[in-house]
Amino acid sequence: QVQLVESGGGLVKPGGSLRLSCAASGFTFSDYYMSWIRQAPGKGLEWVSYISSSGSTIYYADSVKGRFTISRDNAKNSLYLQMNSLRAEDTAVYYCARGQDGDTNWYFDLWGRGTLVTVSS
Amino acid sequence: SYELTQPPSVSVSPGQTARITCSGDALPKQYAYWYQQKPGQAPVLVIYKDSERPSGIPERFSGSSSGTTVTLTISGVQAEDEADYYCQSADSSGTYHVFGTGTKVTVL
Repeated sequence: QVQLVESGGGLVKPGGSLRLSCAASGFTFSDYYMSWIRQAPGKGLEWVSYISSSGSTIYYADSVKGRFTISRDNAKNSLYLQMNSLRAEDTAVYYCARGQDGDTNWYFDLWGRGTLVTVSS
Repeated sequence: SYELTQPPSVSVSPGQTARITCSGDALPKQYAYWYQQKPGQAPVLVIYKDSERPSGIPERFSGSSSGTTVTLTISGVQAEDEADYYCQSADSSGTYHVFGTGTKVTVL
């Protein structure tokens, strides 16, 4: 069925690194823009990054720019987020989401269940 | 950075109408979207392009737009509609996406 499944979350110390993965199935992954969105415990949603279908266009939220790197492998139907120099404020559930063209911007019509990243000493 | 502002909470009795607003300076130029999130679950899209409803979403969910404010309306609220609701849009360039602050809907 159509789904996104995240993996790679866990406990990491401040300053450490982690790589998240998102496996897509049930749709033509290479046709879609993809995004990472996070939610700190008890807080709201925060858009983190997006990558175009070919990988040629990438944007990041200011809060992660220079520390996080989004990438994709269309042959493996997979999306990735390399997270470096992690801080306590990066603690959150990280969701992978499929983007749809809303003409003026993009929206997210399919979400994974999320993977929890905890940054703590 | 660009922000979308929502009321923290809305309370409504079953069968009544709940209205959730979302305000942002770029909304006259940018479409807005609405998501429903229940505890422990991923968000679900309930409205796209200001007022369009995805397949499978009940007709009691509707959206509208006026100037710098968009509104999600839930008519004939049911107990199952109790959830957090987030608007989403982008800055004036359409490049940087942003979510609203979120509104907790409580069904009394």
